[in-house]
Amino acid sequence: EAGVAQSPRYKIIEKRQSVAFWCNPISGHATLYWYQQILGQGPKLLIQFQNNGVVDDSQLPKDRFSAERLKGVDSTLKIQPAKLEDSAVYLCASSFRGPGTEAFFGQGTRLTVV
Amino acid sequence: TQLLEQSPQFLSIQEGENLTVYCNSSSVFSSLQWYRQEPGEGPVLLVTVVTGGEVKKLKRLTFQFGDARKDSSLHITAAQPGDTGLYLCAGGNNRLAFGKGNQVVVIP
Repeated sequence: EAGVAQSPRYKIIEKRQSVAFWCNPISGHATLYWYQQILGQGPKLLIQFQNNGVVDDSQLPKDRFSAERLKGVDSTLKIQPAKLEDSAVYLCASSFRGPGTEAFFGQGTRLTVV
Repeated sequence: TQLLEQSPQFLSIQEGENLTVYCNSSSVFSSLQWYRQEPGEGPVLLVTVVTGGEVKKLKRLTFQFGDARKDSSLHITAAQPGDTGLYLCAGGNNRLAFGKGNQVVVIP
């Protein structure tokens, strides 16, 4: 069974530029999460989808971050404009049994904002 | 907000020693999971505990869920260098929130 796919693996951009990350979850997983992980800390939940609907985006900085999950499968996370403090690893995860249950993670995208 | 606090934040031990790390919260969780994360990789699920007082074993790792379903512990017996990693607990109440992790280093 293929795992969660994320791209790109690495991205370096200048502040005020925009960037987008892509995630393809495990087939059949209705729940999809985006997390931000700053070095040395645990993952922070940004947004959670159930199929193509948003379940929780309470910690998403909506003035600069946006995410969508069209057709309830793939998802994209966008940052526009980026700030230095957005430098982090962005992790996508999916779950079969629903929100709050076991999640399977991709390898993440390491973003560096300079 | 479901806040999960993990302690100690960092632990370094010699190969063959035992260790215990903790995950505590003021919230009751329907389930709690432990993950291990290695550098450059996403977290990998180790175990899920559901019932208060539950104990699960995974080779040399023993996981316990508190009776009140608010806390959990992970005990590693005879630690090996391959156990080195960031151990993360996550609580599930319709959203999956993580603690900051226990960084464990096992020195050969």
